[in-house]
Amino acid sequence: ETGVTQTPRHLVMGMTNKKSLKCEQHLGHNAMYWYKQSAKKPLELMFVYSLEERVENNSVPSRFSPECPNSSHLFLHLHTLQPEDSALYLCASSQDWPSGLAGGGLEETQYFGPGTRLLVL
Amino acid sequence: GQNIDQPTEMTATEGAIVQINCTYQTSGFNGLFWYQQHAGEAPTFLSYNVLDGLEEKGRFSSFLSRSKGYSYLLLKELQMKDSASYLCAVLGFYNTDKLIFGTGTRLQVFP
Repeated sequence: ETGVTQTPRHLVMGMTNKKSLKCEQHLGHNAMYWYKQSAKKPLELMFVYSLEERVENNSVPSRFSPECPNSSHLFLHLHTLQPEDSALYLCASSQDWPSGLAGGGLEETQYFGPGTRLLVL
Repeated sequence: GQNIDQPTEMTATEGAIVQINCTYQTSGFNGLFWYQQHAGEAPTFLSYNVLDGLEEKGRFSSFLSRSKGYSYLLLKELQMKDSASYLCAVLGFYNTDKLIFGTGTRLQVFP
């Protein structure tokens, strides 16, 4: 139990559906992240929020829409997905967002939720 | 560019020692992390190195050489529950200030 929870754990959706993934962290962290994990590929960073402001958007298609209403909650809204979007979606949080200052790495340790296994049909 | 390399798969025997290597080329460096990920579960933090040398934590140790762009994770007295993927990740700084992950090394421990 890392203090980061995600719901649902499994999701099957059609290409025309709209669904949302939810992440909640109980660690008092200031930064939250969405990652995509596909088979035999590195974890891909999708979005980063620091103190509820989006600080990173890694050229993610607009069919993925993040929302961060407060520092403890993060959502990923899904709309008209493609079969290739099937993957494990992981949420993570860290005390701080990487500030660009050397030596601050341990405070930027990311703690992951269990993920949502998404299948798009 | 940024690149992290680690072997795709390794096998070992219960009770043995295994070393998982990671080499990296990044435009900035502010530390290296190792995570363990069991199938279908979240990655869990194992270790963080930012200075050269060996960090020991029980059965697990992690080593870093910044000049060589190299790290390894050493697992001693292997147990069946150590069968998992081990992810190497490098934290950059300045314009590369995000965590870049390798593809992970899948370790299978046999009796």
